[in-house]
Amino acid sequence: SQTIHQWPATLVQPVGSPLSLECTVEGTSNPNLYWYRQAAGRGLQLLFYSVGIGQISSEVPQNLSASRPQDRQFILSSKKLLLSDSGFYLCAWGESGETQYFGPGTRLLVL
Amino acid sequence: SQQGEEDPQALSIQEGENATMNCSYKTSINNLQWYRQNSGRGLVHLILIRSNEREKHSGRLRVTLDTSKKSSSLLITASRAADTASYFCATRGVGNTPLVFGKGTRLSVIA
Repeated sequence: SQTIHQWPATLVQPVGSPLSLECTVEGTSNPNLYWYRQAAGRGLQLLFYSVGIGQISSEVPQNLSASRPQDRQFILSSKKLLLSDSGFYLCAWGESGETQYFGPGTRLLVL
Repeated sequence: SQQGEEDPQALSIQEGENATMNCSYKTSINNLQWYRQNSGRGLVHLILIRSNEREKHSGRLRVTLDTSKKSSSLLITASRAADTASYFCATRGVGNTPLVFGKGTRLSVIA
């Protein structure tokens, strides 16, 4: 069966520091991968998605970047965090056109 | 951008009552999906309804889709306290496009 991992679960970072959040999927090949951000009590904002290694689509101009160095690995990064980067970050995987499966999320607090 | 808009934003009911949540969207879709999110957790897929379907059931869940009105509803029958969560609709456009989520309905079921 497929599983999706995200880490860390919680992260507190100072403004201006770098960020690296990792997401890995097991039990599937060539999945579509997604990064979402959720502000407190709000809906999900799609940040990036990838249909294959090295292929990244960005949905919103921002202070973040994403990379997919391996088939089942998706990384969300920032060189310098802003206060507004605080939120709940969710990674998800899916197969073309169908259901998406979400990881447990990372809560990021930028101080 | 968010396509789905759920209504109401929040709903509070007694255990045993039915809960109905609505979702409206703007553009043509391939399918529409409903997800559930417990506080501080990832999203869990509940049900998918395709654009050529009008109604679908899964246990205590009933989903309807009216493509002429660009709307969907999620009915949870005989609600339980454990149904307390946020519920999101998400639409999938034509092709291998990402899901677009609404802002969600917060459901509280009081025992």
